[in-house]
Amino acid sequence: KAGVTQTPRYLIKTRGQQVTLSCSPISGHRSVSWYQQTPGQGLQFLFEYFSETQRNKGNFPGRFSGRQFSNSRSEMNVSTLELGDSALYLCASSPPTGANYGYTFGSGTRLTVV
Amino acid sequence: AQTVTQSQPEMSVQEAETVTLSCTYDTSESNYYLFWYKQPPSRQMILVIRQEAYKQQNATENRFSVNFQKAAKSFSLKISDSQLGDTAMYFCAFITSGTYKYIFGTGTRLKVLA
Repeated sequence: KAGVTQTPRYLIKTRGQQVTLSCSPISGHRSVSWYQQTPGQGLQFLFEYFSETQRNKGNFPGRFSGRQFSNSRSEMNVSTLELGDSALYLCASSPPTGANYGYTFGSGTRLTVV
Repeated sequence: AQTVTQSQPEMSVQEAETVTLSCTYDTSESNYYLFWYKQPPSRQMILVIRQEAYKQQNATENRFSVNFQKAAKSFSLKISDSQLGDTAMYFCAFITSGTYKYIFGTGTRLKVLA
Protein backbone atom coordinates (compact mmCIF):
# COMPACT_ATOMS: atom_id res chain seq x y z
CA LYS A 1 0.00 0.00 0.00
CA ALA A 2 1.58 3.26 -1.11
CA GLY A 3 2.14 5.89 1.56
CA VAL A 4 1.55 9.62 1.44
CA THR A 5 3.50 11.07 -1.46
CA GLN A 6 4.73 14.64 -1.45
CA THR A 7 6.38 16.31 -4.40
CA PRO A 8 8.83 17.82 -4.83
CA ARG A 9 11.12 16.85 -1.95
CA TYR A 10 13.22 19.98 -2.23
CA LEU A 11 12.53 23.38 -3.68
CA ILE A 12 14.49 26.60 -3.86
CA LYS A 13 12.60 29.76 -4.72
CA THR A 14 13.31 33.47 -4.79
CA ARG A 15 11.49 36.03 -2.68
CA GLY A 16 8.35 37.25 -4.40
CA GLN A 17 7.83 34.08 -6.40
CA GLN A 18 5.01 31.64 -5.83
CA VAL A 19 5.17 27.91 -5.25
CA THR A 20 2.83 24.93 -5.45
CA LEU A 21 3.35 21.78 -3.42
CA SER A 22 1.55 18.52 -4.06
CA CYS A 23 0.35 15.74 -1.82
CA SER A 24 -1.20 12.39 -2.72
CA PRO A 25 -2.81 10.67 0.27
CA ILE A 26 -3.05 6.98 0.95
CA SER A 27 -5.64 5.34 -1.25
CA GLY A 28 -9.02 5.58 0.47
CA HIS A 29 -8.04 8.48 2.70
CA ARG A 30 -10.20 11.48 1.99
CA SER A 31 -8.79 13.87 4.56
CA VAL A 32 -5.57 15.73 3.87
CA SER A 33 -3.90 18.12 6.30
CA TRP A 34 -0.93 20.43 5.86
CA TYR A 35 1.58 21.57 8.47
CA GLN A 36 4.52 23.92 8.38
CA GLN A 37 7.53 22.82 10.41
CA THR A 38 10.26 25.28 11.39
CA PRO A 39 12.93 25.05 14.09
CA GLY A 40 11.53 28.06 15.91
CA GLN A 41 7.78 27.47 15.68
CA GLY A 42 7.59 23.69 15.54
CA LEU A 43 4.64 22.24 13.64
CA GLN A 44 1.94 24.71 12.80
CA PHE A 45 -1.38 23.71 11.25
CA LEU A 46 -2.10 25.22 7.86
CA PHE A 47 -5.37 23.66 6.72
CA GLU A 48 -7.39 20.47 6.40
CA TYR A 49 -9.45 19.26 3.47
CA PHE A 50 -12.05 16.56 3.26
CA SER A 51 -13.88 15.69 0.05
CA GLU A 52 -12.68 18.90 -1.60
CA THR A 53 -13.93 21.09 1.29
CA GLN A 54 -11.71 23.01 3.66
CA ARG A 55 -12.90 22.18 7.14
CA ASN A 56 -10.34 24.10 9.16
CA LYS A 57 -7.65 26.68 8.59
CA GLY A 58 -4.74 27.78 10.73
CA ASN A 59 -3.51 31.28 11.45
CA PHE A 60 -1.53 31.93 8.31
CA PRO A 61 -1.79 34.90 5.95
CA GLY A 62 -3.90 34.70 2.84
CA ARG A 63 -0.78 34.05 0.79
CA PHE A 64 -1.14 30.45 1.88
CA SER A 65 -3.92 28.60 0.12
CA GLY A 66 -4.83 25.07 -0.70
CA ARG A 67 -7.24 22.88 -2.52
CA GLN A 68 -8.23 19.28 -2.85
CA PHE A 69 -9.26 17.45 -5.96
CA SER A 70 -11.91 14.81 -6.47
CA ASN A 71 -9.26 12.06 -6.27
CA SER A 72 -8.28 13.42 -2.80
CA ARG A 73 -4.93 14.74 -4.00
CA SER A 74 -4.18 18.11 -2.51
CA GLU A 75 -2.06 21.09 -3.40
CA MET A 76 -0.97 24.03 -1.36
CA ASN A 77 0.14 27.30 -2.84
CA VAL A 78 2.20 30.07 -1.36
CA SER A 79 2.27 33.35 -3.25
CA THR A 80 4.69 36.25 -2.88
CA LEU A 81 7.21 34.16 -1.02
CA GLU A 82 9.05 35.63 1.96
CA LEU A 83 12.28 34.46 3.56
CA GLY A 84 10.27 33.37 6.59
CA ASP A 85 8.34 30.86 4.50
CA SER A 86 11.42 28.66 4.40
CA ALA A 87 10.32 25.49 6.14
CA LEU A 88 9.52 21.82 5.87
CA TYR A 89 5.93 21.44 4.67
CA LEU A 90 4.33 18.22 5.80
CA CYS A 91 1.21 16.65 4.43
CA ALA A 92 -0.76 14.03 6.32
CA SER A 93 -3.75 11.92 5.48
CA SER A 94 -6.14 10.24 7.85
CA PRO A 95 -8.35 7.21 7.45
CA PRO A 96 -12.11 7.28 6.96
CA THR A 97 -12.46 6.82 10.74
CA GLY A 98 -10.88 10.24 11.18
CA ALA A 99 -7.73 11.98 12.39
CA ASN A 100 -8.56 10.86 15.93
CA TYR A 101 -6.99 7.57 14.90
CA GLY A 102 -3.76 9.15 13.76
CA TYR A 103 -2.16 10.63 10.71
CA THR A 104 0.05 9.09 8.09
CA PHE A 105 2.59 11.69 7.10
CA GLY A 106 4.52 12.20 3.91
CA SER A 107 8.25 12.88 3.89
CA GLY A 108 7.66 16.57 3.37
CA THR A 109 8.78 19.24 0.95
CA ARG A 110 11.76 21.30 2.08
CA LEU A 111 11.21 24.84 0.77
CA THR A 112 14.06 27.31 0.84
CA VAL A 113 13.36 30.92 -0.05
CA VAL A 114 16.40 32.99 -1.02
CA ALA B 1 -5.72 28.45 24.25
CA GLN B 2 -4.82 24.85 23.55
CA THR B 3 -1.16 24.12 24.07
CA VAL B 4 1.32 21.27 24.39
CA THR B 5 4.52 21.64 26.37
CA GLN B 6 7.54 19.39 26.07
CA SER B 7 9.99 20.68 28.63
CA GLN B 8 12.96 18.55 27.60
CA PRO B 9 14.48 19.84 24.35
CA GLU B 10 17.14 17.11 24.30
CA MET B 11 17.72 13.82 26.06
CA SER B 12 20.09 10.93 25.74
CA VAL B 13 19.93 7.35 26.94
CA GLN B 14 22.21 4.34 26.78
CA GLU B 15 21.21 1.50 24.54
CA ALA B 16 18.99 -1.04 26.35
CA GLU B 17 18.10 1.45 29.07
CA THR B 18 14.73 3.07 29.74
CA VAL B 19 13.89 6.71 29.14
CA THR B 20 10.80 8.82 29.79
CA LEU B 21 9.83 11.85 27.73
CA SER B 22 7.53 14.40 29.36
CA CYS B 23 4.52 16.14 27.89
CA THR B 24 1.85 18.35 29.40
CA TYR B 25 -1.08 19.82 27.56
CA ASP B 26 -3.88 22.24 28.12
CA THR B 27 -7.40 22.06 26.78
CA SER B 28 -10.83 22.77 28.17
CA GLU B 29 -12.36 20.06 26.01
CA SER B 30 -13.29 16.72 27.50
CA ASN B 31 -13.18 14.64 24.34
CA TYR B 32 -9.70 14.46 22.84
CA TYR B 33 -7.00 12.09 21.70
CA LEU B 34 -3.30 12.16 22.49
CA PHE B 35 -0.39 10.99 20.39
CA TRP B 36 3.33 10.56 20.32
CA TYR B 37 5.02 10.85 16.94
CA LYS B 38 8.61 10.08 16.07
CA GLN B 39 10.54 11.98 13.40
CA PRO B 40 13.86 10.36 12.46
CA PRO B 41 16.42 12.14 10.26
CA SER B 42 14.54 10.87 7.22
CA ARG B 43 11.92 13.52 8.15
CA GLN B 44 8.87 11.28 7.96
CA MET B 45 6.70 11.51 11.06
CA ILE B 46 5.69 8.11 12.36
CA LEU B 47 2.89 7.43 14.83
CA VAL B 48 4.33 5.78 17.94
CA ILE B 49 1.34 5.51 20.24
CA ARG B 50 -2.19 6.83 20.70
CA GLN B 51 -4.35 7.37 23.78
CA GLU B 52 -8.04 8.13 24.01
CA ALA B 53 -8.70 10.62 26.80
CA TYR B 54 -11.82 8.82 27.98
CA LYS B 55 -9.86 5.62 28.61
CA GLN B 56 -8.11 5.36 31.94
CA GLN B 57 -5.92 2.47 30.88
CA ASN B 58 -2.51 3.55 29.64
CA ALA B 59 -1.73 2.63 26.04
CA THR B 60 1.14 0.28 25.24
CA GLU B 61 2.81 -0.59 21.95
CA ASN B 62 5.63 -3.09 22.35
CA ARG B 63 8.53 -1.18 23.99
CA PHE B 64 6.55 2.06 24.12
CA SER B 65 4.07 2.92 26.83
CA VAL B 66 2.48 6.06 28.19
CA ASN B 67 1.64 7.39 31.61
CA PHE B 68 -1.58 9.31 31.12
CA GLN B 69 -2.65 11.48 34.03
CA LYS B 70 -5.83 13.21 32.89
CA ALA B 71 -6.34 15.42 35.93
CA ALA B 72 -2.77 16.68 35.72
CA LYS B 73 -2.99 16.91 31.90
CA SER B 74 0.18 14.92 31.62
CA PHE B 75 1.06 12.39 28.91
CA SER B 76 4.59 11.02 29.20
CA LEU B 77 6.18 8.42 26.92
CA LYS B 78 8.32 5.63 28.27
CA ILE B 79 10.68 3.79 25.95
CA SER B 80 12.01 0.52 27.33
CA ASP B 81 15.06 -1.34 26.06
CA SER B 82 16.11 1.67 23.97
CA GLN B 83 17.56 0.90 20.56
CA LEU B 84 19.79 2.93 18.28
CA GLY B 85 16.88 3.20 15.85
CA ASP B 86 14.91 5.10 18.47
CA THR B 87 17.16 8.11 17.89
CA ALA B 88 14.76 10.79 16.61
CA MET B 89 12.71 13.85 17.46
CA TYR B 90 9.62 12.94 19.45
CA PHE B 91 6.52 15.07 19.30
CA CYS B 92 3.58 15.00 21.64
CA ALA B 93 0.25 16.09 20.15
CA PHE B 94 -3.47 16.08 20.73
CA ILE B 95 -6.64 16.62 18.74
CA THR B 96 -10.08 17.52 20.02
CA SER B 97 -13.10 16.09 18.30
CA GLY B 98 -14.49 18.20 15.49
CA THR B 99 -11.47 20.49 15.08
CA TYR B 100 -9.64 18.45 12.44
CA LYS B 101 -6.26 19.74 13.57
CA TYR B 102 -3.49 18.61 15.85
CA ILE B 103 -1.73 20.75 18.41
CA PHE B 104 1.92 19.74 18.59
CA GLY B 105 4.59 20.29 21.19
CA THR B 106 8.00 21.62 20.20
CA GLY B 107 9.58 18.20 20.39
CA THR B 108 12.26 16.35 22.34
CA ARG B 109 15.39 15.26 20.54
CA LEU B 110 16.33 11.81 21.80
CA LYS B 111 19.72 10.29 21.18
CA VAL B 112 20.36 6.65 21.98
CA LEU B 113 24.01 6.01 22.74
CA ALA B 114 25.80 2.76 21.89
